[in-house]
Amino acid sequence: EDQVTQSPEALRLQEGESSSLNCSYTVSGLRGLFWYRQDPGKGPEFLFTLYSAGEEKEKERLKATLTKKESFLHITAPKPEDSATYLCAVQSYYGQNFVFGPGTRLSVLP
Amino acid sequence: DAGVIQSPRHEVTEMGQEVTLRCKPISGHNSLFWYRQTMMRGLELLIYFNNNVPIDDSGMPEDRFSAKMPNASFSTLKIQPSEPRDSAVYFCASCVSNQPQHFGDGTRLSIL
Repeated sequence: EDQVTQSPEALRLQEGESSSLNCSYTVSGLRGLFWYRQDPGKGPEFLFTLYSAGEEKEKERLKATLTKKESFLHITAPKPEDSATYLCAVQSYYGQNFVFGPGTRLSVLP
Repeated sequence: DAGVIQSPRHEVTEMGQEVTLRCKPISGHNSLFWYRQTMMRGLELLIYFNNNVPIDDSGMPEDRFSAKMPNASFSTLKIQPSEPRDSAVYFCASCVSNQPQHFGDGTRLSIL
């Protein structure tokens, strides 16, 4: 059974304090790993897709990386507007189902 | 471009009543997903459709839940009869096959 875990459950940072969020997964043949951002009262918003180990994607202060067992979302010099819940999801080759992790709640304090 | 549109945004009803949630996917997307999100269980897939056909409904919790997709631009999720434990935020998402999903802003459902 495909599974996704995320750590930490919650993270509080000072503005400018860089850190990383972890997404660990087990999947029978990874088709893709997806990162989403979710703001309160909103649906998840797509950030990145990673397809193979070693791949990296960047967007503004965010960089996502992928290994065969986990993915990291690195946040460089975060700002208060980066505060949100970050969700990770995987899709296997054997189905179209997306399995989501529980998310990491990030708070960036000014 | 209009995103995924869900209605209503909020629904409060009494136990035993029928609840119908609606979703309009992004035009051109051939896959549609219904999710339920709670603090305890996170985001759970209920059912998904490909080209209007239900592919996997193993996440539908009970026979009280049913979903339809009569055409490419509309889907419903129905709960009958509703129970307090059904209270959650229900999300609809759509995508082109194997591409990232785009989510609506959800329906916050409260069953009293």
